[in-house]
Parts: sequence; C-alpha cells; structure tokens
Amino acid sequence: GEDVEQSLFLSVREGDSSVINCTYTDSSSTYLYWYKQEPGAGLQLLTYIFSNMDMKQDQRLTVLLNKKDKHLSLRIADTQTGDSAIYFCAEGSSASKIIFGSGTRLSIRP
Amino acid sequence: DTEVTQTPKHLVMGMTNKKSLKCEQHMGHRAMYWYKQKAKKPPELMFVYSYEKLSINESVPSRFSPECPNSSLLNLHLHALQPEDSALYLCASSQEVEGNTEAFFGQGTRLTVV
Repeated sequence: GEDVEQSLFLSVREGDSSVINCTYTDSSSTYLYWYKQEPGAGLQLLTYIFSNMDMKQDQRLTVLLNKKDKHLSLRIADTQTGDSAIYFCAEGSSASKIIFGSGTRLSIRP
Repeated sequence: DTEVTQTPKHLVMGMTNKKSLKCEQHMGHRAMYWYKQKAKKPPELMFVYSYEKLSINESVPSRFSPECPNSSLLNLHLHALQPEDSALYLCASSQEVEGNTEAFFGQGTRLTVV
C-alpha cells in the first residue's frame, strides 16, 4: 500500500537552513504536500507541489521533488524559533486520499 | 475568510456521556472531513462528506456518528467512548473531494475520555 516516510527529528541552529526529507511510494500521486503543526494546534498547509513539477519556491520555503526517486524535500531558509513545529509530508491524488508521513519534529537551537 | 473553526477546543467526557464536536467553514467548500490524530502520530481519516452526503466512512466504530446539517457545518456526535478514543480530532474542508486538493484544517478539539 501507499507509504510516506520521513525522519522523526531535526535540530538546526537559528539562522541556518533546515532541510526536511521525505520519501513516498505511490507513483500515481498527483500532489505532494507539506503541512506544519505547532504544539496543540491543527495542521497548516505550508505548500504543495504538483507531481509534474521539480521545484516550487515561496519566500523562505523551497520544495524539491525527485519523481524518479520518489523523494520530496522542504528547505526552510533562515530558520527562526517560530519555525519550531512538526512538519508532515503527505501525498495524494485528491483531498480525500491524502496519506501523511509520521512527521518530523524541527527544533531550533540558539 | 480561510478558516475552519472547531468547537470546543478541549473536551473531557466520561464513558457514559454524550457530546458533540462542531466544525464550521464559510469558504463555500463542498467537501468536509473528520480526522483523528493520536499523540505523535499523523492524522487518520475518519469520514468524508461531499455535498452534505457521507461519501467515505473509514470503518469507524458506531460510537462516532457524523452529521452534516448544511454545507457549512459538520458535527461529530460522540457516545459511549472509550479511553483509547482520547485524541485530537481535526476537521478539514476543501472545494471538492476530487480535483482541487487544498485542504484547510481547523485547530482541532482535544478530547479526553475518562
């Protein structure tokens, strides 16, 4: 079945770039997503990329997609303390068929 | 308005209680969803409503009963829950079930069953 995998933890120094990686299995997925969840809060859609794109940039966020290797990454430039959260990678062919990864907890050290 | 509003934010209930979770959106979305999220786990889909009709039930126990009174509201009625049902319950909405897949999530209701 479909599976999305990502590492559980990432620690970066404030001001550095954070890179969160994800691999997925369903090659028929149309969309790849990154969601952010702050403690005790719901999910915030950060960005998504169509499966026929290689890259998408939105301010401090850069998403890279390697469809051949089924690898997705999220780069956060100039990481700030407010970026501390759990980041979920997800794939889907529609809003009712979204498969989430286990989430990567990003912590920022001074 | 790009918000999905959930009430209450926190709920503690006994195993014999009946309670309801509420979700509201005013984005004109025709698809609404309930997800369950256990601690340190990703969200799991429970129910999907499309045009106010239940289209997906992911084999959820009958002690959870969804209801969609109109296109802006989604309820989740709870009865005879178990302590293992304690979780964050997330509501989401999107334009349609298929096609446009930007799903907006609410802040969730943190449910504790005692």
